[in-house]
Amino acid sequence: DAGVTQSPTHLIKTRGQQVTLRCSPKSGHDTVSWYQQALGQGPQFIFQYYEEEERQRGNFPDRFSGHQFPNYSSELNVNALLLGDSALYLCASSLSQGAYEQYFGPGTRLTVT
Amino acid sequence: AQRVTQPEKLLSVFKGAPVELKCNYSYSGSPELFWYVQYSRQRLQLLLRHISRESIKGFTADLNKGETSFHLKKPFAQEEDSAMYYCALREVNRDDKIIFGKGTRLHILP
Repeated sequence: DAGVTQSPTHLIKTRGQQVTLRCSPKSGHDTVSWYQQALGQGPQFIFQYYEEEERQRGNFPDRFSGHQFPNYSSELNVNALLLGDSALYLCASSLSQGAYEQYFGPGTRLTVT
Repeated sequence: AQRVTQPEKLLSVFKGAPVELKCNYSYSGSPELFWYVQYSRQRLQLLLRHISRESIKGFTADLNKGETSFHLKKPFAQEEDSAMYYCALREVNRDDKIIFGKGTRLHILP
């Protein structure tokens, strides 16, 4: 099991553009959470998906949206990119039942110029 | 509002010396506390959680509800402990979002 995988590894976009980041959860996991980690900061919760629906949301604008597919993989979409959206985006997967532990992916480094 | 505070951005400790990484939280409900670690060029991973009450890689952390603290301790630092450490909080039985502190970089000196 490769664990949580994310693509792409790095991405450079221009202000105003749109971006889609992808995440495949650890085998057997059904819940996916997304975090934004700015330089020098801890990860900040964006939202969580379970059963193809957004279950929880952090303090992020509507420009940030997501999707979960029937195979539990997930996408994070960011519209109208701002310079401040430059960060490492982390995906974490977990199992909705049982002991709660989130497994993190390696992240996607997004640079907005 | 829920908050996790790690007062030290960087902590340098000599090999063999004791380590204490501080974490304080503000939360009115019933929290679950974690320590996550990120070694160089590796992904963020769970180190320990307070409900497990176990020692991982020699590290322990005790939840002190009176002082709202969850400090991470190790009696004898090893060079391989050098990493970024994040304290985190989750609201038990209410939601699954995890709130992270800003992290402390632990540097073990030879």
